[in-house]
Amino acid sequence: AQSVTQPDIHITVSEGASLELRCNYSYGATPYLFWYVQSPGQGLQLLLKYFSGDTLVQGIKGFEAEFKRSQSSFNLRKPSVHWSDAAEYFCAVGVYGGATNKLIFGTGTLLAVQP
Amino acid sequence: EPEVTQTPSHQVTQMGQEVILHCVPISNHLYFYWYRQILGQKVEFLVSFYNNEISEKSEIFDDQFSVERPDGSNFTLKIRSTKLEDSAMYFCASSENDSGLAGVDTQYFGPGTRLTVL
Repeated sequence: AQSVTQPDIHITVSEGASLELRCNYSYGATPYLFWYVQSPGQGLQLLLKYFSGDTLVQGIKGFEAEFKRSQSSFNLRKPSVHWSDAAEYFCAVGVYGGATNKLIFGTGTLLAVQP
Repeated sequence: EPEVTQTPSHQVTQMGQEVILHCVPISNHLYFYWYRQILGQKVEFLVSFYNNEISEKSEIFDDQFSVERPDGSNFTLKIRSTKLEDSAMYFCASSENDSGLAGVDTQYFGPGTRLTVL
């Protein structure tokens, strides 16, 4: 069955520090992978996606993610975190085929940023 | 930039009452979805909708739930008789086939409606 695991429920980093949020997926076919961010009281905003091609993808707000098929991972990174990055981050795998077209989400990682 | 909108932002209802959650997808999108997020839990797929019919529904989407596209712009989720466990944030999403890969798309989400069932 398809699934997404985000091992870190809560992460705290200092402003200006680097960030890596982990995501592992389980999916039998070619994975289509997404990172979304949810700020308090807001909806889910797409940060970046991987469909094919270059395994290092760039997104908005200075985020990037690297797809590693051998590790079934799609970790999100940012070299220098800003206080405004405090939010909850969700990794998702797109499940497609026939009539199926949906996202399977991980449980999310809540990021806190210390001044 | 086009966005998905949802109304109301917060709905409070009594158990057993019917509620309708409203969504206006991005105007040129053809695929529509509802997801929900119970407090503290992951976002879960409910239903997908294309060409005026349900494409897929999860086991959560039982007979109490229905979706409709009543006109060219709105997409609604109806819960016929709400239960306490229906309390959640409900997200609408829409997509077009923007990837060039058959059936693969990017879903854009609205801000959500928080449903509280008392």
